[in-house]
Amino acid sequence: EAQVTQNPRYLITVTGKKLTVTCSQNMNHEYMSWYRQDPGLGLRQIYYSMNVEVTDKGDVPEGYKVSRKEKRNFPLILESPSPNQTSLYFCASRAGTTISYEQYFGPGTRLTVT
Amino acid sequence: DAKTTQPTSMDCAEGRAANLPCNHSTISGNEYVYWYRQIHSQGPQYIIHGLKNNETNEMASLIITEDRKSSTLILPHATLRDTAVYYCIVRAGSGAGSYQLTFGKGTKLSVIP
Repeated sequence: EAQVTQNPRYLITVTGKKLTVTCSQNMNHEYMSWYRQDPGLGLRQIYYSMNVEVTDKGDVPEGYKVSRKEKRNFPLILESPSPNQTSLYFCASRAGTTISYEQYFGPGTRLTVT
Repeated sequence: DAKTTQPTSMDCAEGRAANLPCNHSTISGNEYVYWYRQIHSQGPQYIIHGLKNNETNEMASLIITEDRKSSTLILPHATLRDTAVYYCIVRAGSGAGSYQLTFGKGTKLSVIP
């Protein structure tokens, strides 16, 4: 089954404790991205990657890092989490051609930073 | 990307057609109209997209006006599981700008039993 998986699904952590949210897709997609969703602000893109070793900032990249060492994985790293990063996070992927327009989203990771 | 305008919320009786409008009066010639939906805190789900012709798939139909300034997503027989926030998104069909989705506030559709 074509899917995007995220782990963990729920995470409660403390300020300053480094964490990584993993994202993996099994569709051989070139494009992957991270979004965060906050009440009243909607979904906002954090980082995206057009292919392996190619990443770029989205609309709200501050406080986040990403890497794309393999095509299937796109982890989101919070080096020093702060309470304002409490949010619902989604990973997404898409084929890197103009033939395919559909983006597939993961189930979400609900992060709470205290 | 062209800005879109959608009603904040709509109700629809179960079994009836749900018609969700979207205004995108500043759409340019190479921009597509996409619809996604998000069922309570789940990941957004692609529904359908179109350029200028009407489109239909197993989930919905998309009607785009001739001047392309507005469109309507039609769910032909709404069920309770269609209760969700529906997002209308306009973006380029090719190039780097075709990848990023800019989500607005969408329309909260409530299907009533």
